[in-house]
Amino acid sequence: DQQVKQNSPSLSVQEGRISILNCDYTNSMFDYFLWYKKYPAEGPTFLISISSIKDKNEDGRFTVFLNKSAKHLSLHIVPSQPGDSAVYFCAASVPHANNDMRFGAGTRLTVKP
Amino acid sequence: KAGVTQTPRYLIKTRGQQVTLSCSPISGHRSVSWYQQTPGQGLQFLFEYFSETQRNKGNFPGRFSGRQFSNSRSEMNVSTLELGDSALYLCASSLAQADNEKLFFGSGTQLSVL
Repeated sequence: DQQVKQNSPSLSVQEGRISILNCDYTNSMFDYFLWYKKYPAEGPTFLISISSIKDKNEDGRFTVFLNKSAKHLSLHIVPSQPGDSAVYFCAASVPHANNDMRFGAGTRLTVKP
Repeated sequence: KAGVTQTPRYLIKTRGQQVTLSCSPISGHRSVSWYQQTPGQGLQFLFEYFSETQRNKGNFPGRFSGRQFSNSRSEMNVSTLELGDSALYLCASSLAQADNEKLFFGSGTQLSVL
């Protein structure tokens, strides 16, 4: 069962513009959400996270928004840079999950110079 | 500080064989998790080990097993390989000091089953 869904397999934006990556989930017990970035031939690296008690978390150019009622979160990258081109995974976990995180299928972001 | 190290990077096996993958976590990290990544499926949780004990297990058949050693290094074994086992296998480690922690991933082992 795909409890975390990223419905857009790919996204292309122009350098300097905003990139918005979306993620939907079905399990209302999820209380912790993360975004990971993955370059080819490398493992995913942590980007930003948000707890279910918040609706926004910001770190530099990256902001994650959480809408619990819609079971939706999004990652905003402003401004987008060519080095941001990678696959972005959304992940979620329930309390005391012992690292059992549910990942989406990923969105490939391409930032064009 | 060295990152999570996985060996080998690439592996080619044939159906019916078995395979063992190795993972060395970041120094001081006590929890090791394994994930399978296939195209279009994202990362699927296999299992998690802490202090040599499996604490959590995903929805995979018993052909997939693992273990953790006293130095926190972990191995994953897949027996009676099937074509569908072809995937990138990722290992991740964490401190396991808090409930919600980010995972640190290795570069993975790309397994091809012919």
